[in-house]
Amino acid sequence: DQQVKQNSPSLSVQEGRISILNCDYTNSMFDYFLWYKKYPAEGPTFLISISSIKDKNEDGRFTVFLNKSAKHLSLHIVPSQPGDSAVYFCAASGRSTYGGSQGNLIFGKGTKLSVKP
Amino acid sequence: DGGITQSPKYLFRKEGQNVTLSCEQNLNHDAMYWYRQDPGQGLRLIYYSQIVNDFQKGDIAEGYSVSREKKESFPLTVTSAQKNPTAFYLCASSIGGNTIYFGEGSWLTVV
Repeated sequence: DQQVKQNSPSLSVQEGRISILNCDYTNSMFDYFLWYKKYPAEGPTFLISISSIKDKNEDGRFTVFLNKSAKHLSLHIVPSQPGDSAVYFCAASGRSTYGGSQGNLIFGKGTKLSVKP
Repeated sequence: DGGITQSPKYLFRKEGQNVTLSCEQNLNHDAMYWYRQDPGQGLRLIYYSQIVNDFQKGDIAEGYSVSREKKESFPLTVTSAQKNPTAFYLCASSIGGNTIYFGEGSWLTVV
């Protein structure tokens, strides 16, 4: 049973527009959420994170929104650039993850973002 | 420069062979992890280690083994018991917080 779900396998956006990537989770014990960006044949790179005590975190063009009641988070990229084209993974961690060990993340399946010039 | 180094980048394994993927980090991170990525799937945790000389199984540990004799090193052995080893393998580390940093990955193919 997937605890972290990214229901859109792909997203295509025009350069300069907003990209919105969505993520849902089922485990109410998750208390930290992260977004990773991954290019083909490379390791994921950390993008932005948010703690469950916040509902928004912003870093340059990237903003993550958290709706705890809906168990939903989203990543907004504004404006989108062709270099943003990659697979984006949502990840979550919490006290109950893998028997309580901190730092172990559960990943969604990823959303492939294509930003067209 | 600090970072996580995985080697080899590409590895071919014959049926019935064990192979070992290397992972070294000079970030002074306590925790290290091995993930596997298959097409259309998220990253799945194979093994993790929170401290030297200690490690735990993740979701898909069967057919894999690890060791953590040094803080800097966390090698992963893919044994012949792993029936579907062809995948992209990612090593990662963290310093106790929730952010995990990844290496460049290693491609393993069974021939």
